[in-house]
Amino acid sequence: QKEVEQNSGPLSVPEGAIASLNCTYSDRGSQSFFWYRQYSGKSPELIMFIYSNGDKEDGRFTAQLNKASQYVSLLIRDSQPSDSATYLCAVRRGGADGLTFGKGTHLIIQP
Amino acid sequence: DTAVSQTPKYLVTQMGNDKSIKCEQNLGHDTMYWYKQDSKKFLKIMFSYNNKELIINETVPNRFSPKSPDKAHLNLHINSLELGDSAVYFCASSQVGQVVEQYFGPGTRLTVT
Repeated sequence: QKEVEQNSGPLSVPEGAIASLNCTYSDRGSQSFFWYRQYSGKSPELIMFIYSNGDKEDGRFTAQLNKASQYVSLLIRDSQPSDSATYLCAVRRGGADGLTFGKGTHLIIQP
Repeated sequence: DTAVSQTPKYLVTQMGNDKSIKCEQNLGHDTMYWYKQDSKKFLKIMFSYNNKELIINETVPNRFSPKSPDKAHLNLHINSLELGDSAVYFCASSQVGQVVEQYFGPGTRLTVT
């Protein structure tokens, strides 16, 4: 059974600080890894994807992947109140396979 | 133009009824998906479909079935609706073979009474 584990939170971070979100996955056949952001009542939107070990940076966001430890993380620098949302970690094998999501981490950025 | 659209946005129906949710994508993608997000916000894959294969999550009851009249559409048919089917259903699409995002539709909130 493929599983993706996340701390459900809420994770409370002061505005301007770094928010750190973590995720572990069980399926070693996973090839690509995604972070989605979902606001209440909205559909998920992609923040970052990563498929090689190491770090990937995009603006204020950095995704980190360690396949040996089966661990994915997302760092949000200079956190803004608009970053308050649920962050979903997802993994995918390949082909026509769908995404396997974690249950999400509720992030609150305190002004 | 909306990339992935779903209709209806809200659907309220009684137990035992049969209903359909429509999904259309105008991105030219070759693969479409249905996800279910339950009351605890857990998002779970139900089906993946392209012209070569249908991948069904084994936990999905056979009362649920995807129907694809063409590459741009993947509709979800649900027979004999149950209270536990109440959820938000998201359609998504992507292009197989690329590490790119799946584009999600706005969701359909289904309430079974």
